[in-house]
Amino acid sequence: QKEVEQNSGPLSVPEGAIASLNCTYSDRGSQSFFWYRQYSGKSPELIMFIYSNGDKEDGRFTAQLNKASQYVSLLIRDSQPSDSATYLCAVSGNTGTASKLTFGTGTRLQVTL
Amino acid sequence: GAVVSQHPSRVICKSGTSVKIECRSLDFQATTMFWYRQFPKQSLMLMATSNEGSKATYEQGVEKDKFLINHASLTLSTLTVTSAHPEDSSFYICSADRPNQPQHFGDGTRLSIL
Repeated sequence: QKEVEQNSGPLSVPEGAIASLNCTYSDRGSQSFFWYRQYSGKSPELIMFIYSNGDKEDGRFTAQLNKASQYVSLLIRDSQPSDSATYLCAVSGNTGTASKLTFGTGTRLQVTL
Repeated sequence: GAVVSQHPSRVICKSGTSVKIECRSLDFQATTMFWYRQFPKQSLMLMATSNEGSKATYEQGVEKDKFLINHASLTLSTLTVTSAHPEDSSFYICSADRPNQPQHFGDGTRLSIL
């Protein structure tokens, strides 16, 4: 059974600090990895996606993938109160289109003033 | 701007009513769309994969006769919750695969059955 595990949190970090969100997955055949941000009562919005081992940076966000350890993380630098949300890790067995996503339960991030 | 449009955003209706939710891809054709359900404080659970011109593929445990999916065009998929009951109250979200891009989600439909 495919599983995606996340610590539910809340993860509390002060404004300006680095927030580190972690995710592990059980299906070694997974190919694509996504981080979505979900504000309360809203639908998820894509933050980052990563397909290859290593780091991928986009602005304040860095996704890190280690397929050998079946581990993917999201770093948020210079955390802002507006980053407070639930972050969902999602995994797919395929690259490209028409790929079913398996979601983790999400980590709630709180950025404090 | 939004690439997937979902309507309505909120529905409140009596038990036994059937409710239709629309999911449209904007400015692109989506041969595949996905329907998710999210209960409070839980993650998104895939209900079914909607395929244009063919039958939807339902996940295990999802009643296909209760959750009717129609994907009659390349830009529109509909989910009809038939004879809805209070336990069907949830946040329903659709998504579409944009060519060579990750899935984009609609804004979701909050369904409340009284």
